[in-house]
Amino acid sequence: QSALTQPPSASGSPGQSVTISCTGPSSDVGVYNYVSWFQQHPGKAPKLIIYEVTKRPSGVPDRFSGSKSGNTASLTVSGLQAEDEADYYCSSFVGGVTYVFGTGTKVTVL
Amino acid sequence: QVQLVQSGAEVKKPGTSVNVSCKAFGYTFTNHYIHWVRQAPGQGLEWMGVIIPNGGSTTYTQKFQDRVTMTRDTSTNTVNLELSSLRSDDTAVYYCTRTVGSRFDIWGQGTMVTVSS
Repeated sequence: QSALTQPPSASGSPGQSVTISCTGPSSDVGVYNYVSWFQQHPGKAPKLIIYEVTKRPSGVPDRFSGSKSGNTASLTVSGLQAEDEADYYCSSFVGGVTYVFGTGTKVTVL
Repeated sequence: QVQLVQSGAEVKKPGTSVNVSCKAFGYTFTNHYIHWVRQAPGQGLEWMGVIIPNGGSTTYTQKFQDRVTMTRDTSTNTVNLELSSLRSDDTAVYYCTRTVGSRFDIWGQGTMVTVSS
């Protein structure tokens, strides 16, 4: 199972929005609405910020939103803040009990 | 408090095996799957496999099929990862994480495994 494809980097100024894409085969991202997004700061464990394409866990600001079209999922961070500078990973359920992660995107707040 | 606590860092020689443990606190251990995910230095997250604590069945990604073993001990609420025939490119942080439905909601703190001669 190959990793889902994400852009290596994205950036924006404070207050702006940034959108990260996550593309996979039609057999996973395109079929299942079980796409998640994770935020990871250096030296820390990943933190779930979006699950089931659009849902936010309790405590995650509504500046983070998810969507999906065909076999591409997207994460949008609105109103960028300095603390949003981190690596972001998507993941998708691919059948059975198996999952795959994306290649990761480094978000820089300019 | 719901948490997963992992064992400490390991340094291993090539060709040997490593065991990493993950102990669950604050919830019913057998109710949720535990997955293992690794991250090589400067690299992305890689899903390795999953164990279902209720019964102990496992599924591994094909890349690790011949070298990985996941087990659980319901008396101590602990899951163990064994990776054998270690190579330098197995140097990584290994994470355990729980799924509730499809969401990876809590993660262990990570265990650094260094493979070096």
